[in-house]
Amino acid sequence: SQQGEEDPQALSIQEGENATMNCSYKTSINNLQWYRQNSGRGLVHLILIRSNEREKHSGRLRVTLDTSKKSSSLLITASRAADTASYFCATGPYGFNKFYFGSGTKLNVKP
Amino acid sequence: EAQVTQNPRYLITVTGKKLTVTCSQNMNHEYMSWYRQDPGLGLRQIYYSMNVEVTDKGDVPEGYKVSRKEKRNFPLILESPSPNQTSLYFCASSIGQYNEQFFGPGTRLTVL
Repeated sequence: SQQGEEDPQALSIQEGENATMNCSYKTSINNLQWYRQNSGRGLVHLILIRSNEREKHSGRLRVTLDTSKKSSSLLITASRAADTASYFCATGPYGFNKFYFGSGTKLNVKP
Repeated sequence: EAQVTQNPRYLITVTGKKLTVTCSQNMNHEYMSWYRQDPGLGLRQIYYSMNVEVTDKGDVPEGYKVSRKEKRNFPLILESPSPNQTSLYFCASSIGQYNEQFFGPGTRLTVL
């Protein structure tokens, strides 16, 4: 079974609005990462948040992590049409060398 | 330029015909992985390697083999491909298993 699950599966918003995606995972983690994928291309790393951090910012991105609920959220503020892509959370569980990706949220930003 | 390269980018083959997808990185990364991506299932790890000559199974290793004879290369081998291995494959590398991963452009494989 997958370590990470994203919610919602798809999200459609207007340019300028904020987009929020959520991720839940199952076991203790070292860190949680968010990636972006443009239509069938390779994934690009966006941001990494460690298990002892609660919030992290990078440009228009804001990530939160709640280890007690085993969940994270990615907020993209003032979205642009160029933000249209799929977004994945990924985790590396403590004590394991494997890496797990969620099934992704497909974001469509309408101009 | 720091990058992960994969070849071929597209491949159509027939059931049972052995094939190899190459992966190479120029960042001196120790951790390398292969993933497959199928609609609705996200990315699933096939195999990973912690360093030269150290490989281990991911979540979906059946039907695949890998080797890590050099630090920069991590080929994925399908000894006898079957139609259920039709997928989009990605190679990735990182400094360590908990670090940011750099992805290759992907290989779209169709097995008839």
